[in-house]
Amino acid sequence: AQSVTQLDSQVPVFEEAPVELRCNYSSSVSVYLFWYVQYPNQGLQLLLKYLSGSTLVKGINGFEAEFNKSQTSFHLRKPSVHISDTAEYFCAVSESNTGGFKTIFGAGTRLFVKA
Amino acid sequence: NAGVTQTPKFQVLKTGQSMTLQCAQDMNHEYMSWYRQDPGMGLRLIHYSVGAGITDQGEVPNGYNVSRLNKREFSLRLESTAPSQTSVYFCASSYHAGGPGNEQFFGPGTRLTVL
Repeated sequence: AQSVTQLDSQVPVFEEAPVELRCNYSSSVSVYLFWYVQYPNQGLQLLLKYLSGSTLVKGINGFEAEFNKSQTSFHLRKPSVHISDTAEYFCAVSESNTGGFKTIFGAGTRLFVKA
Repeated sequence: NAGVTQTPKFQVLKTGQSMTLQCAQDMNHEYMSWYRQDPGMGLRLIHYSVGAGITDQGEVPNGYNVSRLNKREFSLRLESTAPSQTSVYFCASSYHAGGPGNEQFFGPGTRLTVL
């Protein structure tokens, strides 16, 4: 069964500093990996996704993530954060099943960017 | 193009009351799903549907029923609610072709409190 573990529940960081949000997953089949962002009082929106090919994936707002199959990780990074990046970030894994497909989300990491 | 819409935005119920959460999308998506979001637990899949009349259970289906009468709408029914169902409920949709690699589009959420 698929599962997602986000290793940090909260990450405080100063503006313009780099940040890494960690995500580990488990799955029995080929996986599709996602990072979503949720701004306060809003629904989730896609940051980036890994389907196949290059293990380094670039997304919106300067974020990127690296797929590491041997470590079953999909960590999210940004070289220089802004106040506006303050939000909750969710890692997700999706896989096919007989009824269609299921997407399982991690518990989320709350990123606080301080001035 | 409204995307994914949900009604109501807020609801307060007493234990034992029932209600239906409505979701509609105008993107011609086949796949629709319902999640609940609780602090520290991320999003958990309740039920999903790959087309009209076709639904399946997610991670936490107990206490919830769904109905997909057409491609556009997917409703979530809570019968005899309990305080444990206090949560924020999100509806999401995506294309089914291509399966698990597709981005999900989320509605703004329904905040439900059961007293």
